[in-house]
Amino acid sequence: DTAVSQTPKYLVTQMGNDKSIKCEQNLGHDTMYWYKQDSKKFLKIMFSYNNKELIINETVPNRFSPKSPDKAHLNLHINSLELGDSAVYFCASSQFIGNTIYFGEGSWLTVV
Amino acid sequence: DQQVKQNSPSLSVQEGRISILNCDYTNSMFDYFLWYKKYPAEGPTFLISISSIKDKNEDGRFTVFLNKSAKHLSLHIVPSQPGDSAVYFCAAGAGNQFYFGTGTSLTVIP
Repeated sequence: DTAVSQTPKYLVTQMGNDKSIKCEQNLGHDTMYWYKQDSKKFLKIMFSYNNKELIINETVPNRFSPKSPDKAHLNLHINSLELGDSAVYFCASSQFIGNTIYFGEGSWLTVV
Repeated sequence: DQQVKQNSPSLSVQEGRISILNCDYTNSMFDYFLWYKKYPAEGPTFLISISSIKDKNEDGRFTVFLNKSAKHLSLHIVPSQPGDSAVYFCAAGAGNQFYFGTGTSLTVIP
């Protein structure tokens, strides 16, 4: 059973489109995250939610909007996709803030 | 501004020998450190952690060493196995956020 699962794994889309990546964790964790790994392999946090509340919102364009319907889900919606949004997006969770983070398998987004 | 650095992008080691992966950080407030292993097309998998109150933590073939004064941690894998070939990320944090290094690609040669 996958602990942190995200869909889709691969996504190719045109500039200007709106897309969503879904994430679910079955670990019973309180905290969920979205990380972005860019072409230089930097793994940087984008957002962090604790019990459905936004805790961390790094400098991310407001075209990116996370939504947490419950503490087991954290979806990422991206509006008006740009070429520079092409990256691997990892969902993750931890039991609480500052605890060990467990990652999903990643979603490879390519904007053409 | 990179707070966690892994200065060796790649490392090759013979099977059965020791692999040593290094990581440096800049923020002395960091108090919890993690190592992750990542295979291609998969997410990072948690390997081992250490808190700042310790200087060593061991789990099977994996040992993490922390030198707080040097702001340096290392991951030792003994003995190295071909299945250990992957990218290894270190992460450091305090409070509510972790910062990741850019990874070291380890190749274990049979």
